[in-house]
Amino acid sequence: DIVMTQTPLSSPVTLGQPASISCRSSQSLVHSDGNTYLSWLQQRPGQPPRLLIYKISKVFSGVPDRFSGSGAGTDFTLKISRVEAEDVGVYYCMQGTQVPYTFGQGTKLEIK
Amino acid sequence: EVQLVESGGGFVQPGESLTLSCAVSGFTLSSAWMNWVRQAPGKGLVWVSRIDNDGRNRIYADFVKGRFTISRDNARNNVYLQMNNLRVEDTALYYCVRDWWYSTDTWGQGTMVTVSS
Repeated sequence: DIVMTQTPLSSPVTLGQPASISCRSSQSLVHSDGNTYLSWLQQRPGQPPRLLIYKISKVFSGVPDRFSGSGAGTDFTLKISRVEAEDVGVYYCMQGTQVPYTFGQGTKLEIK
Repeated sequence: EVQLVESGGGFVQPGESLTLSCAVSGFTLSSAWMNWVRQAPGKGLVWVSRIDNDGRNRIYADFVKGRFTISRDNARNNVYLQMNNLRVEDTALYYCVRDWWYSTDTWGQGTMVTVSS
């Protein structure tokens, strides 16, 4: 199985400041079809997860443009340009290149 | 509006069975692959199973192989997870999730399964 490792596991951030979360996979996420199926999900307290980013950098419908994704191969990053109060929650990276789909451990974003 | 509504969770003893249901609305079920993902209390997300559009291809996580069966009824707009021989470690909130580009774009609210003696 592909292991997804996120850093940091906890990220205290000041409102209005940027935030960044890293995700590393134990093997390349490039699929045989040439795509890289790395996505980012947000889980607010008491809510189910919500898709933010798919295929590394494609922003899902309705997601604010302060969220962006980047990376390639085995190293990926989620960036929030200016953190808002509603961004509090746990963020997961997820790979869909190979079954079983696997998730990172989650990064808890909190406001300082 | 796209919606997934899970039901069927509950409290069972080890070795017992449960069947979870996921009622979908707002899209044509036959157009989508569907997944079940679980989350133990206070823990992270764990993928359980996936079924393709017509149910011909079904994939399972190793820890449920031989015990869980995923199925679907496109005419009735439902996806199911039959869970047999439940273990304490299967205790979790089970989410029905629509597949989107080998990711997951729509999640239900989840149904809680508790396995305890």
